[in-house]
Amino acid sequence: DGGITQSPKYLFRKEGQNVTLSCEQNLNHDAMYWYRQDPGQGLRLIYYSQIVNDFQKGDIAEGYSVSREKKESFPLTVTSAQKNPTAFYLCASSLTGSNQPQHFGDGTRLSIL
Amino acid sequence: SQKIEQNSEALNIQEGKTATLTCNYTNYSPAYLQWYRQDPGRGPVFLLLIRENEKEKRKERLKVTFDTTLKQSLFHITASQPADSATYLCALDLLFSGNTPLVFGKGTRLSVIA
Repeated sequence: DGGITQSPKYLFRKEGQNVTLSCEQNLNHDAMYWYRQDPGQGLRLIYYSQIVNDFQKGDIAEGYSVSREKKESFPLTVTSAQKNPTAFYLCASSLTGSNQPQHFGDGTRLSIL
Repeated sequence: SQKIEQNSEALNIQEGKTATLTCNYTNYSPAYLQWYRQDPGRGPVFLLLIRENEKEKRKERLKVTFDTTLKQSLFHITASQPADSATYLCALDLLFSGNTPLVFGKGTRLSVIA
């Protein structure tokens, strides 16, 4: 079955550590996205990528970094510069262009120890 | 400032009734509007998309309207069932930069009571 896989489901970070969240898709989508969801908040865009080796900052990119070396993969690193990293992180993918629905993974919940 | 608002944080209705959820926006000009369903601890799932020149879109028990004059979309679930209980998100598709990152509302948590 085609889909988008995020791992791990739960992740714990110590103060001062960088952590990397994995996102893999086998839908052959060119575009991929990372969102952050906090309780009572909508999804906020962190980074997105329309094509391999290219990505753009979203609304809340500070303290995060991404890479897009392969079409299938779009890992997100939460750096120690992100002062409030506890949140639910969602990865999505879509075909490029407008009017394309996004397909989401089931998220990674990051907590600080 | 630009805003997207979903009418209420939570909505409770009796099974069999029609649920109506509202999405309002200001200072955006979306070409499309999408609705998603999100269950607890899961990622959103796409339900319906409606274009700015469409008044109404239907899919089974779901109906979406889009009024660009009022800057509002309504999402209806007819003959609601307890299984429809979830959070529903609207998202504006803004058609820029050759791609269309979506702007999401905060969602409305629907509870259908048997």
